[in-house]
Amino acid sequence: SAVISQKPSRDICQRGTSLTIQCQVDSQVTMMFWYRQQPGQSLTLIATANQGSEATYESGFVIDKFPISRPNLTFSTLTVSNMSPEDSSIYLCSADRVETEAFFGQGTRLTVV
Amino acid sequence: AQTVTQSQPEMSVQEAETVTLSCTYDTSESDYYLFWYKQPPSRQMILVIRQEAYKQQNATENRFSVNFQKAAKSFSLKISDSQLGDAAMYFCAYRSALDDMRFGAGTRLTVKP
Repeated sequence: SAVISQKPSRDICQRGTSLTIQCQVDSQVTMMFWYRQQPGQSLTLIATANQGSEATYESGFVIDKFPISRPNLTFSTLTVSNMSPEDSSIYLCSADRVETEAFFGQGTRLTVV
Repeated sequence: AQTVTQSQPEMSVQEAETVTLSCTYDTSESDYYLFWYKQPPSRQMILVIRQEAYKQQNATENRFSVNFQKAAKSFSLKISDSQLGDAAMYFCAYRSALDDMRFGAGTRLTVKP
């Protein structure tokens, strides 16, 4: 198993600003992912964070809006840029090793005002 | 992309009784993994049970068991002796070596005392 620390757990931000969410895993993992989840709904994959290379984004998500870093095998960040109220959501980090279950951080509840 | 369908947005069960949550999926792969995750109000995604497609035997974890029907592409979760702490959103998920984790829409389970 793996333990994932995600922070901040929640934040209230002004529109037009940016927020960086951090995800730290307690052991090396192959894959790290970032999801968005509206309350009461399922998880939508934003991107796969690739170590040492650019993230792979899903349709509808772009690097300028959601830049992602993954400098090593245990750490990744997601930045939500130029925020608007529509970005208010829960953001989840997950990690796994190939062909195993995914482990999740506790999520970041973002509110943009 | 592979799809995961949970046709029950909400389910309710009396404490100590048994409930079954449904999940179907679509795939052309023969080797894959299926999961059930629980998400309580704390937002933490918790793995409940996993099933490898190559295994014929249904997975069991204490009060949680699955009915895996590979030909029918069905993967239901049975919760026996339901407890108040079982109340949560439950997500069915699929992944393979070629695909990232895909989640169903979720089923909100209410446990009545």
